[in-house]
Amino acid sequence: EPEVTQTPSHQVTQMGQEVILRCVPISNHLYFYWYRQILGQKVEFLVSFYNNEISEKSEIFDDQFSVERPDGSNFTLKIRSTKLEDSAMYFCASSYGTTSGRAQYFGPGTRLLVL
Amino acid sequence: AQSVTQPDIHITVSEGASLELRCNYSYGATPYLFWYVQSPGQGLQLLLKYFSGDTLVQGIKGFEAEFKRSQSSFNLRKPSVHWSDAAEYFCAVGTGTASKLTFGTGTRLQVTL
Repeated sequence: EPEVTQTPSHQVTQMGQEVILRCVPISNHLYFYWYRQILGQKVEFLVSFYNNEISEKSEIFDDQFSVERPDGSNFTLKIRSTKLEDSAMYFCASSYGTTSGRAQYFGPGTRLLVL
Repeated sequence: AQSVTQPDIHITVSEGASLELRCNYSYGATPYLFWYVQSPGQGLQLLLKYFSGDTLVQGIKGFEAEFKRSQSSFNLRKPSVHWSDAAEYFCAVGTGTASKLTFGTGTRLQVTL
């Protein structure tokens, strides 16, 4: 069964450094998402992406964040200058988007620790 | 804006007992509703979804959920819990095609043998 994959599984970085989190969505999916989950808190939406542009973003997704689909398979989240409060589990998700395939399927996550 | 409430932070049930996890949502129109499960250190696995039609939906691992519009609820049920069901369960609501999901705070299920 196809699944969403994410790399790396864990990343430790110093405050102020740039990080890029990578995701490979399910191959025929058209909509892509990033969510995050701070330890002990609920899953929060960051951004959705369709047709090579952002379709929706949350207040969390400020100028320090960017997303890109550099090729036909990868979907990346870049944090330009990490802060301590960016420490969280970051989940990528994808969906086909039609009536029958509207569910979002999540990857295993990247745990980011900012020191 | 939509919201989801999961009133139970932590539930403990005995193996073999029945389970019901509560979920209430707030949204003005017909929502798209989901239940996900997260095992420790793992990602979110889709258990089941409701878009329209039959209000009782079946999911994986023997779970089912019932959409009750009058109560704004989408409770998750399982007739007989297995020790491997111990995990955190999240209810989520979406508002349109490919829209973002809004999650509840989760319910942690503990299963005693």
